[in-house]
Amino acid sequence: QVQLVQSAAEVKEPGASVKVSCKASGFTFNYYGFLWVRQAPGQGLEWMGWISALNGNTHYAQKFEGRVIMTTDTSTSTAYLELRSLRSDDTAVYYCARDKAGYKYGSDWGQGTLVTVSS
Amino acid sequence: DIQMTQSPSSLSASVGDRVTITCRASQVINTYLAWFQQKPGKAPKSLIYGTSTLQVGVSSRFSGSGSETDFTLTISSLQPEDFATYYCQQYKTFPVTFGQGTRLDIK
Repeated sequence: QVQLVQSAAEVKEPGASVKVSCKASGFTFNYYGFLWVRQAPGQGLEWMGWISALNGNTHYAQKFEGRVIMTTDTSTSTAYLELRSLRSDDTAVYYCARDKAGYKYGSDWGQGTLVTVSS
Repeated sequence: DIQMTQSPSSLSASVGDRVTITCRASQVINTYLAWFQQKPGKAPKSLIYGTSTLQVGVSSRFSGSGSETDFTLTISSLQPEDFATYYCQQYKTFPVTFGQGTRLDIK
């Protein structure tokens, strides 16, 4: 079955970077794209961007341009989200999700990774 | 960017009730609309995509309809496990955008 398993929670200081991983199984990884969505405490869902595992094409939310890098490693079926210059308002649960045959909504989701930014 | 507006923001209902949540897009999105359910401390779960297509394994008491800019999610007979927060999402164009969510509580 489709599984997306994300890396463990992280605590970072302001100004640092974080890299969250999303390991996929149960499907052919490079046939799909991956969304990254975050959710601040008590808030709604915020789309950060999308990456194609087929060719590495990316689309980022303008809010994160210059601070975010999304990558994939087809040899390990893993998608990565790196967010730089962390601020306290980046404290959130970060989710990866698989798209569905080119339709860029999240058909299957990882369990989430809590990133806490605090000095 | 396409803005997605859900109503109501919160809703109280009883087991067995029929419930409808609406989602309005600021531009035409055809049928590129998905619905998600999220329970506290859990990842969102996909319910519906393409406005009305149920994700595999989702109960048939969930249904979706609409087109262009106006969409609805209907739960035909609420079950205890349906009390959660629901989000709509447009995926016609980047940036993908979500509604603000509708919290469904037990009356």
